[in-house]
Amino acid sequence: AQKITQTQPGMFVQEKEAVTLDCTYDTSDQSYGLFWYKQPSSGEMIFLIYQGSYDEQNATEGRYSLNFQKARKSANLVISASQLGDSAMYFCAMREVGRYGNKLVFGAGTILRVKS
Amino acid sequence: NAGVTQTPKFQVLKTGQSMTLQCAQDMNHNSMYWYRQDPGMGLRLIYYSASEGTTDKGEVPNGYNVSRLNKREFSLRLESAAPSQTSVYFCASSELPGGASNQPQHFGDGTRLSIL
Repeated sequence: AQKITQTQPGMFVQEKEAVTLDCTYDTSDQSYGLFWYKQPSSGEMIFLIYQGSYDEQNATEGRYSLNFQKARKSANLVISASQLGDSAMYFCAMREVGRYGNKLVFGAGTILRVKS
Repeated sequence: NAGVTQTPKFQVLKTGQSMTLQCAQDMNHNSMYWYRQDPGMGLRLIYYSASEGTTDKGEVPNGYNVSRLNKREFSLRLESAAPSQTSVYFCASSELPGGASNQPQHFGDGTRLSIL
C-alpha cells in the first residue's frame, strides 16, 4: 500500500519569505503522480500543483514549486514570497492505481500560518 | 460554472438514522469520489466510481453505500448512522476514466455531518 507522510503538523513563516512544506511518499510503482492541495479555513480544496514521476523538471505554478527528489521519495512544496492569504492547511497526495481506476491517497496535512 | 455541488452543507442526525448525501458535477467528468475528513487524518477515500456503472471501495467503506445514478451524480448513503461517522464529507470528480495522470480532482465544498 502507498503512504504519504507530512511530518510538519504546523509551520509559521514571515510574510514575504519562502517556506518549504515537506512530503515523503512510499510506493513500489514506477509510474505515479503527486499533487498538492490547499484548504483555507473556509474549507474548500484547491488544487495547487502536480508532479509526475517521469517528469524531467520540477513543477512550477506561479509562486508554487515542487522540489521533487525521486531517489529520496520526497516531493516538497515551496511557496515563495508568502502572503497572508497563504495561511491554510496544505495536503500532499499521491495517485494510486485502484481496481477500476486511479484514486488519491492523502497525507495528514500541514497547517501554515503566515505572520505579518 | 458550478463544478461539484454537494447537498446538504450541514446535517445533524441521531444515532441509527439514515441519510443520503448528494453530489452532482457539471464538468462531464467520468470519475467521482467520496472522502471523509477527520482532524489529524487528512482525507480518506470511502468509495469511488471510475465511470458510470462501476463503484469500488476505498480505505474506509464500512457503514456506507454509494450509487452512481448517472454520469453527473454520485450519492453516499449512511444506512444506520453512528457517532464515529461524524465528519466532513467531500465529493470530488476528475476528467478521464480513473483520472488522467495529471488531471486533478475537483472538490465540492463539503458536508459537515454530526451524529448524536
